[in-house]
Amino acid sequence: NAGVTQTPKFRVLKTGQSMTLLCAQDMNHEYMYWYRQDPGMGLRLIHYSVGEGTTAKGEVPDGYNVSRLKKQNFLLGLESAAPSQTSVYFCASRDRNTEAFFGQGTRLTVV
Amino acid sequence: AQSVTQLGSHVSVSEGALVLLRCNYSSSVPPYLFWYVQYPNQGLQLLLKYTTGATLVKGINGFEAEFKKSETSFHLTKPSAHMSDAAEYFCAVTERSVGGSYIPTFGRGTSLIVHP
Repeated sequence: NAGVTQTPKFRVLKTGQSMTLLCAQDMNHEYMYWYRQDPGMGLRLIHYSVGEGTTAKGEVPDGYNVSRLKKQNFLLGLESAAPSQTSVYFCASRDRNTEAFFGQGTRLTVV
Repeated sequence: AQSVTQLGSHVSVSEGALVLLRCNYSSSVPPYLFWYVQYPNQGLQLLLKYTTGATLVKGINGFEAEFKKSETSFHLTKPSAHMSDAAEYFCAVTERSVGGSYIPTFGRGTSLIVHP
């Protein structure tokens, strides 16, 4: 099983450019999450989804949008990238009584 | 609302010494508790979890943690550190909430440094 797969793994953007990060899970999990990881800050929740067609804001949603058109996929979009969005992004999925399963991360640099 | 506090952003031990990483949480309902480990340039991997039942839980690589409700703690221990244990460790809590969103909340992480 692949588990949780994130693409791309690395990306460099110029300020103002847009991009979409893709998260795919093959475990039929209901819940999916996008976190960002910054030094000394731990993991902060950006957006999450409790099922296909649903999304909700997390702790740090500004500047990001998400969509969950299919149960297995959760997309994170940056409409106009800013240097403050330089970070490592992690996608995770879980069911109600399980732990979260993480992807390998996307390292994004905005210059 | 739930929150997680990990005491100490860095913990340094000698190889063979006891490892103790501290985690305290706040939760309005009985929680699920987790410890994850992150090696450089990788995602998070589950070390162990507490959901219900026995309060002392054993995980991979010789780690264990004890859920103490009265102290709202879930400290991670290992009797003898190994060089390969050097990594970032995250404590996480998820509230058991019927009809809730089951959002995992993470502490800020503790970097474990192991000296030869």
